[in-house]
Amino acid sequence: DIVMTQSPLSLPVTPGEPASISCRSSQSLLFRNGNNYLDWYLQKPGQSPQLLIFLGSNRASGVPDRFSGSGSGTDFTLKISRVEAEDVGVYYCMQTLQSPLTFGGGTKVEIK
Amino acid sequence: QLQLVQSGAEVKKPGASVRVSCKASGYTFTDYQIHWVRQAPGQGLEWMGRINPNSGDTNYAQKFQGRVTMARDTSITTAYMELTRLTSDDTAVYFCARVSKPYYAKTGGEFDPWGQGTLVTVSS
Repeated sequence: DIVMTQSPLSLPVTPGEPASISCRSSQSLLFRNGNNYLDWYLQKPGQSPQLLIFLGSNRASGVPDRFSGSGSGTDFTLKISRVEAEDVGVYYCMQTLQSPLTFGGGTKVEIK
Repeated sequence: QLQLVQSGAEVKKPGASVRVSCKASGYTFTDYQIHWVRQAPGQGLEWMGRINPNSGDTNYAQKFQGRVTMARDTSITTAYMELTRLTSDDTAVYFCARVSKPYYAKTGGEFDPWGQGTLVTVSS
């Protein structure tokens, strides 16, 4: 199974400041078609997860442009250019390259 | 509009089975795979498996093989997840989620949207 490792576990942030979350996979997520099969989700308190970024760097419909995804192979990053209060919650990365699909352990973002 | 609506919370005794439903609307049900993911209290997300509503083909995580069955009823655009031989470790919120692109697109596997979740509590 592909192991997904996120860091940090917890991320206190100041509104208006940038934030960055790392996700590493135990195997490359780069497929021969040039796509990285890595997605990012945000689970706000008491809600279902919502898609933020798919295939490594593509923002999902309706996602603010302050969110961006980057990386390739085994190292990926989610960046928030200017954190807003509504961005609090747990962020998860997930690989969809091979079964079983696996998630990172999550990064809890909270306002300082 | 596009949505997945799940059945209500369940309380089960150890050894029992539970079936959770996921009613889809707002799109062509047979074009998009449905996945099931669970989340134990205070824990992260765990993938359980998937079903292709067009063919009925399924793929389960090894951990759940032999205990989980995923099915669908295309006439009522509903997917089901049944888990048997429940233990307290199965206490969790169970989510269904649709792959955002049709199965024949053969690209990406991201989930959008998700159902609202169904809490299954296993307790004697």
